[in-house]
Amino acid sequence: IAGITQAPTSQILAAGRRMTLRCTQDMRHNAMYWYRQDLGLGLRLIHYSNTAGTTGKGEVPDGYSVSRANTDDFPLTLASAVPSQTSVYFCASSDQGRGGHEQFFGPGTRLTVL
Amino acid sequence: QKEVEQNSGPLSVPEGAIASLNCTYSDRGSQSFFWYRQYSGKSPELIMSIYSNGDKEDGRFTAQLNKASQYVSLLIRDSQPSDSATYLCAVGTNAGNNRKLIWGLGTSLAVNP
Repeated sequence: IAGITQAPTSQILAAGRRMTLRCTQDMRHNAMYWYRQDLGLGLRLIHYSNTAGTTGKGEVPDGYSVSRANTDDFPLTLASAVPSQTSVYFCASSDQGRGGHEQFFGPGTRLTVL
Repeated sequence: QKEVEQNSGPLSVPEGAIASLNCTYSDRGSQSFFWYRQYSGKSPELIMSIYSNGDKEDGRFTAQLNKASQYVSLLIRDSQPSDSATYLCAVGTNAGNNRKLIWGLGTSLAVNP
């Protein structure tokens, strides 16, 4: 692994189904983030984690949950998917221990909820 | 509400010209500023970061920061068709112990051969 990986690359999901998007990084970054990107709305923060064991809500957290059991993994779960959650989802990480804000992104997951 | 503003474009320049991308931000306390490039269907890629007033050069890219005017820009010299992408401006903000980025909506750049 080099950097951040996300899985799946794309998914079509029936409304009401549960779905977990996976994110793994190998850079030992302490902070991780989940964004969604929609045309005309830009990148919007869903949830974040400053360090393993802690999580926080971003600007659009409703309908999503996250966990951070260890440094490397930060899964995003949609408990009961709705069509408005159709989007491209990006995971990112940052080494806040060095004081920076630079975030590095995974390749994204394209999710369609029907 | 902290905001980052960019012209959506599209900005169209001929190959070899200088492309100038601009960004303004509302939070006077911001200390870190970033430019990301995003190709269609791909993820954002960090290309420049700047923390101090003035210019920072990296190859064909120059970032310019003016904190008094709350303005950050990106200049791309000798523009190439491969520079055609959306450029996202991001501003670092600290809310307590939380370091986050506030994102602009991006400027679409088209470099014409």
